[in-house]
Amino acid sequence: EIVLTQSPATLSLSPGERATLSCRASQSVSDFLAWYQQKPGQAPRLLIYGASNRATGIPARFSGSGSGTDFTLTISSLEPEDFAVYYCQQRSSWWTFGQGTKVEIK
Amino acid sequence: EVQLVESGGDLVQPGGSLRLSCAASGFIFTDYNMNWVRQAPGKGLEWVSYIHSTTTTTYYADSVKGRFTISRDNAKNSLSLQMNSLRAEDTAVYYCAREYCSGGRCSFDYWGQGILVTVSS
Repeated sequence: EIVLTQSPATLSLSPGERATLSCRASQSVSDFLAWYQQKPGQAPRLLIYGASNRATGIPARFSGSGSGTDFTLTISSLEPEDFAVYYCQQRSSWWTFGQGTKVEIK
Repeated sequence: EVQLVESGGDLVQPGGSLRLSCAASGFIFTDYNMNWVRQAPGKGLEWVSYIHSTTTTTYYADSVKGRFTISRDNAKNSLSLQMNSLRAEDTAVYYCAREYCSGGRCSFDYWGQGILVTVSS
């Protein structure tokens, strides 16, 4: 099973700051990686698929990069609605998720 | 508008059974593979099961293999998850999720609102 490790577990930032979230795979997943945002009491929302492709309706401040084992989700300038938990997910072998990174208000 | 609506969640005793359903609308159901994902209270996301759009090929996480059965009724635009031999660790919010693939890059683009399953005596 491919294990995804996200870091940091918690990121404390202020609105307007840049957020950089990391996801590392235990073996190569090529670019079969997606990112999701989840707010309390809500279902996850797809942000990025194929490592770097924004899903429909996702603002341009969200970007994804990486391939193989190391991936990054960047939020260029945090808006108040961006404070949430973010998960990466791989589809190289059967679906697995990372443990999540919480982006909280500093 | 794409909608996925889960139902069937309940409080059930350990060893018991429960059947979850997911009603799909707003898209051509037979064009999409479907999945179940769960989230234990205060925890992260865990993929549970997959079913192909038309072949009914299925896959399961090791944690539920042999106990859970995924199925779909394409005539009724419905997805189901039959859960048997339930354990306390199956307590979670269960989501049905549509699988979207573009150029081989797949992800879950639409999710239901989730339904709570509680396994406790």
